[in-house]
Amino acid sequence: NAGVTQTPKFRVLKTGQSMTLLCAQDMNHEYMYWYRQDPGMGLRLIHYSVGEGTTAKGEVPDGYNVSRLKKQNFLLGLESAAPSQTSVYFCASTTGRAGNQPQHFGDGTRLSIL
Amino acid sequence: DQQVKQNSPSLSVQEGRISILNCDYTNSMFDYFLWYKKYPAEGPTFLISISSIKDKNEDGRFTVFLNKSAKHLSLHIVPSQPGDSAVYFCAADDTGTYKYIFGTGTRLKVLA
Repeated sequence: NAGVTQTPKFRVLKTGQSMTLLCAQDMNHEYMYWYRQDPGMGLRLIHYSVGEGTTAKGEVPDGYNVSRLKKQNFLLGLESAAPSQTSVYFCASTTGRAGNQPQHFGDGTRLSIL
Repeated sequence: DQQVKQNSPSLSVQEGRISILNCDYTNSMFDYFLWYKKYPAEGPTFLISISSIKDKNEDGRFTVFLNKSAKHLSLHIVPSQPGDSAVYFCAADDTGTYKYIFGTGTRLKVLA
């Protein structure tokens, strides 16, 4: 089982460039999430989705867009990358709303904006 | 406004001893609390959870205690092993939303 797969694993961008991070899960999970992890900040929620075709803003959504056209995929886009978006990005998914349903995480995408 | 706080950025423990990681929260409406472990260059993995209606949950070497009146939970690892060296995140299920709120993490180092 692949679980949650993030593509790419590493990327370096120049300020102003755009890119899309891909998250794919093979567990038929309804809920998917994008987080960023910065030193001393823990995991902060960027956007999330409660099902195919739905998206919602998290704690730090500015500068990012998302799409969930297929249940298994959740895309995170940076339209015009800024150095402040240098971070490690994690995608997660979970099966249900119940609180004790843990999230399954991908291994992250390390993104550097120069 | 940080609703879930892990005030100790790091902790060092000798192999075989007990590791105690702490987490405080401010919202008394949280239903579930979860602990995740994260190794470098990997995503967090689920470790153990506890419902707000319980005060203890145990799974092998890992036990989570919940003190609702103090809005405090702790993760005990006994005995600690070098392979437990990782960053541990506390998280809370944000009741009424579809979100989880994470603490900032505690880096545990178990010394052989």
